[in-house]
Amino acid sequence: DGGITQSPKYLFRKEGQNVTLSCEQNLNHDAMYWYRQDPGQGLRLIYYSQIVNDFQKGDIAEGYSVSREKKESFPLTVTSAQKNPTAFYLCASRGDHYGYTFGSGTRLTVV
Amino acid sequence: ELKVEQNPLFLSMQEGKNYTIYCNYSTTSDRLYWYRQDPGKSLESLFVLLSNGAVKQEGRLMASLDTKARLSTLHITAAVHDLSATYFCAVDPNTDKLIFGTGTRLQVFP
Repeated sequence: DGGITQSPKYLFRKEGQNVTLSCEQNLNHDAMYWYRQDPGQGLRLIYYSQIVNDFQKGDIAEGYSVSREKKESFPLTVTSAQKNPTAFYLCASRGDHYGYTFGSGTRLTVV
Repeated sequence: ELKVEQNPLFLSMQEGKNYTIYCNYSTTSDRLYWYRQDPGKSLESLFVLLSNGAVKQEGRLMASLDTKARLSTLHITAAVHDLSATYFCAVDPNTDKLIFGTGTRLQVFP
């Protein structure tokens, strides 16, 4: 079945450490997105990519970086510059008929 | 800057009752989405509304879109406990990215 796979499901980061969240899709979608969700809040857009080798900043890009070297993959790196990274991270992709598909999420905790 | 506002933020309702969640947005868009989220889980797509006047129904939930008023509603009919979750609306303002509302946390009690 087609879908989006996010890994790991849980991730722990030490202070000052960079960590990378994986997002892979086999839906043949061009557009991919990263959202952050804090407890009891809505989703905020971090980065998005409409096509391979191109990506744009969302509303809260500071402290994050992405790459889009392959259509299927859109990894998110949470850098040490992100001072409050504890959150739930969701990856999504968009198909031709305006439908968005979301992954199962990665829960990142700073220890 | 596009703003998407939902109300109420929290809704506690008795089983069997009806209620409506409202989603207002601040800029032109004819693409509106409703999602359900259970605690600790990802988003489940409920409805995609792509034109003015669109109405979609699934079970006890019905969503509508009025693009002129920049308003979407999610109506719950005869609520049951299984509907307890957080509901989000999201708008795509023709920029091919989703902007989410704050969410409405629904609790249905006997």
